[in-house]
Amino acid sequence: AQSVTQPDIHITVSEGASLELRCNYSYGATPYLFWYVQSPGQGLQLLLKYFSGDTLVQGIKGFEAEFKRSQSSFNLRKPSVHWSDAAEYFCAVGAFSGGYNKLIFGAGTRLAVHP
Amino acid sequence: EAEVAQSPRYKITEKSQAVAFWCDPISGHATLYWYRQILGQGPELLVQFQDESVVDDSQLPKDRFSAERLKGVDSTLKIQPAELGDSAMYLCASSARQSSYEQYFGPGTRLTVT
Repeated sequence: AQSVTQPDIHITVSEGASLELRCNYSYGATPYLFWYVQSPGQGLQLLLKYFSGDTLVQGIKGFEAEFKRSQSSFNLRKPSVHWSDAAEYFCAVGAFSGGYNKLIFGAGTRLAVHP
Repeated sequence: EAEVAQSPRYKITEKSQAVAFWCDPISGHATLYWYRQILGQGPELLVQFQDESVVDDSQLPKDRFSAERLKGVDSTLKIQPAELGDSAMYLCASSARQSSYEQYFGPGTRLTVT
């Protein structure tokens, strides 16, 4: 069955430091992969997506992610974190089930940013 | 920029009461999703519509939850009766077509059952 694992429940970084959030997926075919961000009390905003092609994808707000098939990973990175990046981050895999497309989400990683 | 609208944003209700949430997807989006997000977890799909038809409600607790999208536009999710364990964020999302994985989310309704 398709699944997404985000090993880090909570991460704290200093403002200006680099960031990497981990995501591992389980999916039999070529996956469609997504990263979403959720600010407190808000809905989810799409940061970036991978469908095919270049394994390094660029997203909004200075984020990027790299798809590594050999490691079943799609880690999210940012070279310099801003205080406004404090939020919860969700990795998701697109799955085709029962004739329809759906997203399967990981449990999320909560990011705190120290000034 | 077009957005998914949801109301109310917050709802407090007593257990055994009925509660309803409303969602208006991005105009023209044929596929609509309702998710439940328990605190500290990722969203879990409850029901998926294609136009006015339910195409996946395998995770919907049908003894107390119902969902409709009568004209294939806006949608209502109802819980009756509400239980303490229903306290969660209820998110609505839409996508342009069933074949697309790109979903756009509304701000959610935070439900607290007391």
